[in-house]
Amino acid sequence: GIQVEQSPPDLILQEGANSTLRCNFSDSVNNLQWFHQNPWGQLINLFYIPSGTKQNGRLSATTVATERYSLLYISSSQTTDSGVYFCAVSSETYKYIFGTGTRLKVLA
Amino acid sequence: DTEVTQTPKHLVMGMTNKKSLKCEQHMGHRAMYWYKQKAKKPPELMFVYSYEKLSINESVPSRFSPECPNSSLLNLHLHALQPEDSALYLCASSQAYLQGDTQYFGPGTRLTVL
Repeated sequence: GIQVEQSPPDLILQEGANSTLRCNFSDSVNNLQWFHQNPWGQLINLFYIPSGTKQNGRLSATTVATERYSLLYISSSQTTDSGVYFCAVSSETYKYIFGTGTRLKVLA
Repeated sequence: DTEVTQTPKHLVMGMTNKKSLKCEQHMGHRAMYWYKQKAKKPPELMFVYSYEKLSINESVPSRFSPECPNSSLLNLHLHALQPEDSALYLCASSQAYLQGDTQYFGPGTRLTVL
């Protein structure tokens, strides 16, 4: 099956800093989503982005499907951005594989 | 409305108990999912229902029994669980299209098996 690796595994930032999170996948995919899991466990949709670039406020994402990676950019980070960021991919209908996650802590 | 609801939020059960987790969505989605998430690990797919039929069972032990009574509801029946089944159980739904199939997750049920 598809392997999904995320880097870095852990990240500590000062409030206001920018960061780039990476998601590498081992095979071509039809779907790719980025999620933020808050400290209470809720998975929040950030982007559906199997290819191309999208932006939403301080967050943006780029997927280069031909090179099998996706990037999530967080600018001007806030303490509320803390949590775990997951990418999830699927090449078969409905069969989503989650990446290993990046645990982000933003310090005030 | 992009809400998926799950009940209960927390559940503690003994190894001989029978309990059920419930999930509901009113977005008209026709695919519904159960995931299991252990601490500090990513969610792992357990089951997928598509148009109320079981499409995917990721070799889940029979002590977990899913049920999809209608297009809005998804249950997970639990029986004779083991302590290692303690985890966060997440429900999700999506439109059931191959392309543009955005998943929406509920808040989860945190299960403890004693």
